Amino acid sequence: GAGVSQSPSNKVTEKGKDVELRCDPISGHTALYWYRQSLGQGLEFLIYFQGNSAPDKSGLPSDRFSAERTGGSVSTLTIQRTQQEDSAVYLCASSLRRGAPNTQYFGPGTRLTVL
Amino acid sequence: AQKITQTQPGMFVQEKEAVTLDCTYDTSDQSYGLFWYKQPSSGEMIFLIYQGSYDEQNATEGRYSLNFQKARKSANLVISASQLGDSAMYFCAMREGRVTSGSRLTFGEGTQLTVNP
Repeated sequence: GAGVSQSPSNKVTEKGKDVELRCDPISGHTALYWYRQSLGQGLEFLIYFQGNSAPDKSGLPSDRFSAERTGGSVSTLTIQRTQQEDSAVYLCASSLRRGAPNTQYFGPGTRLTVL
Repeated sequence: AQKITQTQPGMFVQEKEAVTLDCTYDTSDQSYGLFWYKQPSSGEMIFLIYQGSYDEQNATEGRYSLNFQKARKSANLVISASQLGDSAMYFCAMREGRVTSGSRLTFGEGTQLTVNP
């Protein structure tokens, strides 16, 4: 079966522009996570979706970041008015969230470069 | 306070030898899970092995085993018979709370493993 897919694989944008990053989770996985990987900060959690529950947004670094998940499947992470410090690899993961070990499986990531 | 600590920024091993990558963690939860992921230069995070806090036996998956010492709060990854393809960044991660909580993973800084021919 297909794994987690993300698009685009690379995105270069100018400071101040908005960007949208897309994640397609593994079919049947009910939980979806976004993480950010940057040189200075390592891997950090951004947001978590589970079914129809309110998302856990506690990792979003500022109100310029938002995410939605439509129909319990595809998710879009939006960054408004991008800044150079937003440059990073954005990783999406999904899990079955049923039974141990509830492993999170990651997509290939989107490398965002803000000029 | 750092929740996951990987003290080895870089490790080198000869092909066919075994190597241990260190990971210590800090949590007050009784129920938690520990994961190891491999990230090759291509960037994708690949799940390797899992250890639950209540698991009495060390986890094993092929050439990977997890040396779980609960009292010391350590979960070291052992790779036996190293292969050139094992060269990658390795991350230790922890999920706190019950398995069904679906909570976030907290990652360590990673260890860059290089396997020499």
